[in-house]
Amino acid sequence: RKEVEQDPGPFNVPEGATVAFNCTYSNSASQSFFWYRQDCRKEPKLLMSVYSSGNEDGRFTAQLNRASQYISLLIRDSKLSDSATYLCAVMPSGGYQKVTFGTGTKLQVIP
Amino acid sequence: EAGVTQFPSHSVIEKGQTVTLRCDPISGHDNLYWYRRVMGKEIKFLLHFVKESKQDESGMPNNRFLAERTGGTYSTLKVQPAELEDSGVYFCASSPRSPKTQYFGPGTRLLVL
Repeated sequence: RKEVEQDPGPFNVPEGATVAFNCTYSNSASQSFFWYRQDCRKEPKLLMSVYSSGNEDGRFTAQLNRASQYISLLIRDSKLSDSATYLCAVMPSGGYQKVTFGTGTKLQVIP
Repeated sequence: EAGVTQFPSHSVIEKGQTVTLRCDPISGHDNLYWYRRVMGKEIKFLLHFVKESKQDESGMPNNRFLAERTGGTYSTLKVQPAELEDSGVYFCASSPRSPKTQYFGPGTRLLVL
């Protein structure tokens, strides 16, 4: 079983739609959680960290469910510029800083 | 502020040859990481430097890979001899002393023929 699992998609949604991605992780000791965005042939860029209480940044909302070991990302009012691959990432506890990534979920926002 | 830079952007070599990738982290970042994405797979951690010391090299695939960070500034990742399965995108990332956010470089695309 992969440490971090995501639906690869693609998710094809019209502009203005709301779309949600989920991600599950297997290591219950994971401490830190992130969503990264990766454009085609570019590097991953941090979109947002994910906190237990949930957090929001504009049109983006991230949630963490430790009991079920999943992370979600909600994008409201999708824009064409949101088209990208969204990578779920976790970092373990214990001072280790290696980030474990999922394979990513591809989003295509259609005009 | 300059971001993480990597050189070369692309490299095409033949099996058995040696390739050295370079990463220049963001100035002042003590932490430097190497990751790799093989075609169709997720980005995987290779190793982590704190300044010039290897903090975690649990992701290094085998002894054909050698990473160094002399002086705690830039880092090199040497693959010797390269094999076909080493093809992929090698990303470097850096973070400050109290990290959570890792800033990624543009990657080096390595193709071994």
